[in-house]
Amino acid sequence: QVQLQESGPGLVKPSGTLSVTCAVSGGSISSSNWWSWVRQPPGKGLEWIGEIYHSGSTNYNPSLKSRVTMSIDESKNQFSLRLSSVTAADTAVYYCARLVLPGGIPWFDPWGQGTLVTVSS
Amino acid sequence: DIQMTQSPSSLSASVGDRVTITCRASQSISRYLNWYQQKPGKAPKLLIHAASSLQGGVPSRFSGSGSGSDFTFTISSLQPEDFATYYCQQSYSTPWTFGQGTKVEIK
Repeated sequence: QVQLQESGPGLVKPSGTLSVTCAVSGGSISSSNWWSWVRQPPGKGLEWIGEIYHSGSTNYNPSLKSRVTMSIDESKNQFSLRLSSVTAADTAVYYCARLVLPGGIPWFDPWGQGTLVTVSS
Repeated sequence: DIQMTQSPSSLSASVGDRVTITCRASQSISRYLNWYQQKPGKAPKLLIHAASSLQGGVPSRFSGSGSGSDFTFTISSLQPEDFATYYCQQSYSTPWTFGQGTKVEIK
């Protein structure tokens, strides 16, 4: 079955750019699915960041849109998130997840295990 | 954005109890509603999609119902492994949004 694995820097300086990658195994990133990023600040709830299709089409959360860039590398079967101008408020566990749409009602499954990114000098 | 409001935010229950969580959307979302379970330090896990469809491999003590703007999630007989935080999520329109979570604790 499809499995997702995030990798990231762990620590990013304020005003810098956060970069996280999600490696997909057990299936092709070129399948008919959207690939998403969701984050969770420590002790808080879940926030959808955005999603990307293998064609490169993207949808971003308007609250983050000006700072977010997503990309996909079909040759490596992975996709990536870049978040610019980070502040302490961007400290969170960043999850990647597949958005499944088999019959029109989408859901997130599976999820990666998450990677904690801390913004601090 | 569609706002999702869960209640209660937390609850204490005993093994064997019936537990019910409600989720209300700020507008009608038909049946575009999913439920996830999250245990400490772990990623969310899909339990129910499309309001009432049980994900494969999920025990039948979990169930969901509702449509429009009001939804219910039920655990018919709480088991020790069910102590976790539960989130609803709407998939009617982007940005996809989640409820604030309901933490189910041991009484």
